[in-house]
Amino acid sequence: AQKITQTQPGMFVQEKEAVTLDCTYDTSDQSYGLFWYKQPSSGEMIFLIYQGSYDEQNATEGRYSLNFQKARKSANLVISASQLGDSAMYFCAMSRNRDDKIIFGKGTRLHILP
Amino acid sequence: GAVVSQHPSRVICKSGTSVKIECRSLDFQATTMFWYRQFPKKSLMLMATSNEGSKATYEQGVEKDKFLINHASLTLSTLTVTSAHPEDSSFYICSARDPGERTDTQYFGPGTRLTVL
Repeated sequence: AQKITQTQPGMFVQEKEAVTLDCTYDTSDQSYGLFWYKQPSSGEMIFLIYQGSYDEQNATEGRYSLNFQKARKSANLVISASQLGDSAMYFCAMSRNRDDKIIFGKGTRLHILP
Repeated sequence: GAVVSQHPSRVICKSGTSVKIECRSLDFQATTMFWYRQFPKKSLMLMATSNEGSKATYEQGVEKDKFLINHASLTLSTLTVTSAHPEDSSFYICSARDPGERTDTQYFGPGTRLTVL
């Protein structure tokens, strides 16, 4: 069975600092996708970044990068130069293959301090 | 990324009534959509997979007669909470994949906050 673990329930980070949100996963599948979503207080789920299990390079999207370590089964999200608007809940998620469901971790609440 | 809309964004109803929530893919066709439920300060829980033209697939523990799902077209899935009770109050959110994308990223609607009095 697949499982996503986010061990940091909450984090406080000073504005403009970089922040790393931890995510480890467990799966026996060879092909899978890893995602990070941001959920602000409004409730919408905003897609941030995707990493395929066969992608050799770490994914990057603007200030977001995914530190993918396949052997360790970790997919940490790195946010560079954090901003006040980054304060939100962040979910790590995994899918098995196309048309399959996504499972979510419990989330990490990030607070950016001015 | 792909755009998914959801309506209504907020609904308050009396106990015993039924509520319909719509999920639309705006710029792509989705043969599969997903319905989630989220309790305060909790993660998303998948309720069911909505399949266009066929029956929905429900997750274990989700009452199919309570949460009716219809996926009548390639851009619309509906979730009907039948005979709603206060314990059905929650945040319901749908998602869909754009089959034209290389990845299997799911895009989410803005969610519907249901309050049953």
